[in-house]
Amino acid sequence: GEDVEQSLFLSVREGDSSVINCTYTDSSSTYLYWYKQEPGAGLQLLTYIFSNMDMKQDQRLTVLLNKKDKHLSLRIADTQTGDSAIYFCAERDIGGKNTDKLIFGTGTRLQVFP
Amino acid sequence: GAVVSQHPSWVICKSGTSVKIECRSLDFQATTMFWYRQFPKQSLMLMATSNEGSKATYEQGVEKDKFLINHASLTLSTLTVTSAHPEDSSFYICSAPPGGLDYGYTFGSGTRLTVV
Repeated sequence: GEDVEQSLFLSVREGDSSVINCTYTDSSSTYLYWYKQEPGAGLQLLTYIFSNMDMKQDQRLTVLLNKKDKHLSLRIADTQTGDSAIYFCAERDIGGKNTDKLIFGTGTRLQVFP
Repeated sequence: GAVVSQHPSWVICKSGTSVKIECRSLDFQATTMFWYRQFPKQSLMLMATSNEGSKATYEQGVEKDKFLINHASLTLSTLTVTSAHPEDSSFYICSAPPGGLDYGYTFGSGTRLTVV
C-alpha cells in the first residue's frame, strides 16, 4: 500500500531556513501537497506541486520534487515563530485505485525559537 | 476560495450517547466528503468517504454502525458517533476534494470529541 514518511521533529532558529522532507512510495501520485496544522485546528493548504514539475516557489515557500527518488521537500525561508506548527505532506492519486484520496504523511512538528 | 464549515468545534459527551458532527460546503457543492480521525500527535487517518445520494465508503477496520455517515445534500455531510465510548475521543476532520485539478482539498476546522 501507499506509505508517506516524514521526520517527526524539526527545530530551527528564527530567521533561518527550514527544510521539511517527505518520501512516498506510490509512483502514480500526480499531485503532492503540503499542509500546515496549528494546534486544535484543521489543515491549511500551503502549496502543491504536480508530478511533472521539479520545483515550485511561492513567496517564502519552495517545493522540490525528486520523482526518481520519490522525495519531496518544503523549504521555508526566513522562518518565523508563526511558522511553528505541524506540517503534513500528502499525495493524491488520480486515476489509480485510490482516486481522489489523499494519503497523508506522518507529520513534522516544526518548532521555531528566537 | 472554497470553505468547509465544521460544527461543533468541540464537544464533551457521556459514554453511551451519540454525537453528530456536521460539515457544510459554504460556497461550492461537495458531492464527496472525506472524514478523517486524528489522534494526538499523529497523522490523519481516513475513516470513510461520503457521497451525495449514495452510501458511504468505509475504510477497512472502521465500524459502519458506529460511525454513521450521511450526505443528504450537495452542501451537507454528517458524521454521527453512536454509543460513544472514551476510546472514541479524538479529533475528527472533514475534507472536500478540489473542484478542479488546480486546487487543494479544503478542510473543516475539526471537532474535538471527548467522551467521559
